[in-house]
Amino acid sequence: SQELEQSPQSLIVQEGKNLTINCTSSKTLYGLYWYKQKYGEGLIFLMMLQKGGEEKSHEKITAKLDEKKQQSSLHITASQPSHAGIYLCGADPQAGTALIFGKGTTLSVSS
Amino acid sequence: GAVVSQHPSRVICKSGTSVKIECRSLDFQATTMFWYRQFPKQSLMLMATSNEGSKATYEQGVEKDKFLINHASLTLSTLTVTSAHPEDSSFYICSARAPRGQDLHYEQYFGPGTRLTVT
Repeated sequence: SQELEQSPQSLIVQEGKNLTINCTSSKTLYGLYWYKQKYGEGLIFLMMLQKGGEEKSHEKITAKLDEKKQQSSLHITASQPSHAGIYLCGADPQAGTALIFGKGTTLSVSS
Repeated sequence: GAVVSQHPSRVICKSGTSVKIECRSLDFQATTMFWYRQFPKQSLMLMATSNEGSKATYEQGVEKDKFLINHASLTLSTLTVTSAHPEDSSFYICSARAPRGQDLHYEQYFGPGTRLTVT
């Protein structure tokens, strides 16, 4: 079965610093999703990547999917306290099936 | 954008009782809905796939008689936790997948979750 590995498991950065979260799949992905979650709340959709080599940005967050479609990174520039939360990568093993998720990365931003 | 709602957002029930959680797609028809469970500080684990008009497909290790799923219409799926016990306390999240061809930016949408506490 397909698995998603996220790293690091947790991260503490100083406000204003950049950071990167990685998500690696054991198999080629049909689609890769990034979500943000605050503990006990629902998922906030950030970005979806489908094409090898694709890169998307929204405000200070950039997500990339490698050419082989097995690894994705989420980069936050000039982090702010509002970026704190749990970041989850999710993947479409096949079109139309449920997403599987990595274990998440807990981000804390200190001011 | 597409919206999925869940009701209730929080529920506390006594051990042995049953609890029903509703998942609705508000502005699109969802032929497939998914139910996830999330324990504290852990990721989302898929429990079952709910298809409109047919029986749900449960993941390995999920008791179908305990977690009853009904997908009676294209906009509503329900999860009933029967004879709930404290170990069933968890955060339950549903998601709805829009059928291909609809003009939506991405295919799977998540509800805000339901916090179940069994005392």
